[in-house]
Amino acid sequence: GAVVSQHPSWVICKSGTSVKIECRSLDFQATTMFWYRQFPKQSLMLMATSNEGSKATYEQGVEKDKFLINHASLTLSTLTVTSAHPEDSSFYICSALRDSNQPQHFGDGTRLSIL
Amino acid sequence: AQTVTQSQPEMSVQEAETVTLSCTYDTSESDYYLFWYKQPPSRQMILVIRQEAYKQQNATENRFSVNFQKAAKSFSLKISDSQLGDAAMYFCAYRRPGTYKYIFGTGTRLKVLA
Repeated sequence: GAVVSQHPSWVICKSGTSVKIECRSLDFQATTMFWYRQFPKQSLMLMATSNEGSKATYEQGVEKDKFLINHASLTLSTLTVTSAHPEDSSFYICSALRDSNQPQHFGDGTRLSIL
Repeated sequence: AQTVTQSQPEMSVQEAETVTLSCTYDTSESDYYLFWYKQPPSRQMILVIRQEAYKQQNATENRFSVNFQKAAKSFSLKISDSQLGDAAMYFCAYRRPGTYKYIFGTGTRLKVLA
């Protein structure tokens, strides 16, 4: 149980385009989802916390107009990287929380490459 | 502010041997959660083991066990009978109750030698 699916797993696109990444909890309802960014050989950096039906809470230094997060249902959160540029290239990982006593369950991650 | 430190960027262990990965943290809270996650080359984060701070007993999951020293703010992971599939990045994480956010350490890359 507690499977989190992330799609796509890898995307390559031209500079200036917007990219949407989906995070789904397949077998549980997630009231809270998280989006992380991971640079090569580094740790995970929390970008934002996404709560179903409300606006996401962004960490300090994360541009909310650049990284749009929508948590439309209890099983789906999306991260849209708007007008992506090469410096946005990174590995993005989502996680979902079933309830406050459970650990976060992570998706497989999305490798984003902006040319 | 809470911090999590993993002082070993890389560790190696011979197959079937035992290895211990260290993690220290800094907090003024008395109640919190600690986790070890594994990130293999596939990049998916997999929960290895977790510990609630109010529990004195060290958590154990098959070949994985922790040495939780609350006063010393230390949370090391011991892997017994190491297997080739254990090779991965290991991240220690802290979570304060009431916030759901994790604070991750910088990770330790574990190599398992055949």
